[in-house]
Amino acid sequence: SQQGEEDPQALSIQEGENATMNCSYKTSINNLQWYRQNSGRGLVHLILIRSNEREKHSGRLRVTLDTSKKSSSLLITASRAADTASYFCATDAYGNTPLVFGKGTRLSVIA
Amino acid sequence: NAGVTQTPKFRVLKTGQSMTLLCAQDMNHEYMYWYRQDPGMGLRLIHYSVGEGTTAKGEVPDGYNVSRLKKQNFLLGLESAAPSQTSVYFCASSYSRVEQYFGPGTRLTVT
Repeated sequence: SQQGEEDPQALSIQEGENATMNCSYKTSINNLQWYRQNSGRGLVHLILIRSNEREKHSGRLRVTLDTSKKSSSLLITASRAADTASYFCATDAYGNTPLVFGKGTRLSVIA
Repeated sequence: NAGVTQTPKFRVLKTGQSMTLLCAQDMNHEYMYWYRQDPGMGLRLIHYSVGEGTTAKGEVPDGYNVSRLKKQNFLLGLESAAPSQTSVYFCASSYSRVEQYFGPGTRLTVT
């Protein structure tokens, strides 16, 4: 079963606006990662946040993690048409289990 | 560096036929993974390997076999293809349990 679940499933915004995507998960994690997938391509790693971190930044990306609520959010500021893609969260649970990916959020940025 | 490459990019099989998908990575990564991606289902792990000569089952292993005879290669086999195996297959590799690097995908259609 899926560990992470993204919300919303789809999001459409205007260029320049901010985009926020959420991820909820069920069990304790070691870290949580966000990936981007452009149409017809493989996934690309964006950012990793560890369980003892609450917020992390990378360029226009801001990720938060609330382990008490078992949730994370990905904020993309000042979005561009090139940000149009699907975004997936992936959770790394403790132990030897591999990463588990959510079903993704499809982001459309309209120029 | 080529990163992660997958062969072939596209394939059409008839039910009952067999085939092997090849994944190669030139980053000296220990971990390698095979996923399938279906509409609305996100990424699901088929099999993975934590080192040369090792393999382990993921979430949806039935109908697939894998081999990791060389560290840089991870093969995914379908012995008797079924229409339910129509999907996009992604290979990924990682140095440890964190950031995964994905290949471009193989689009497989089973008729």
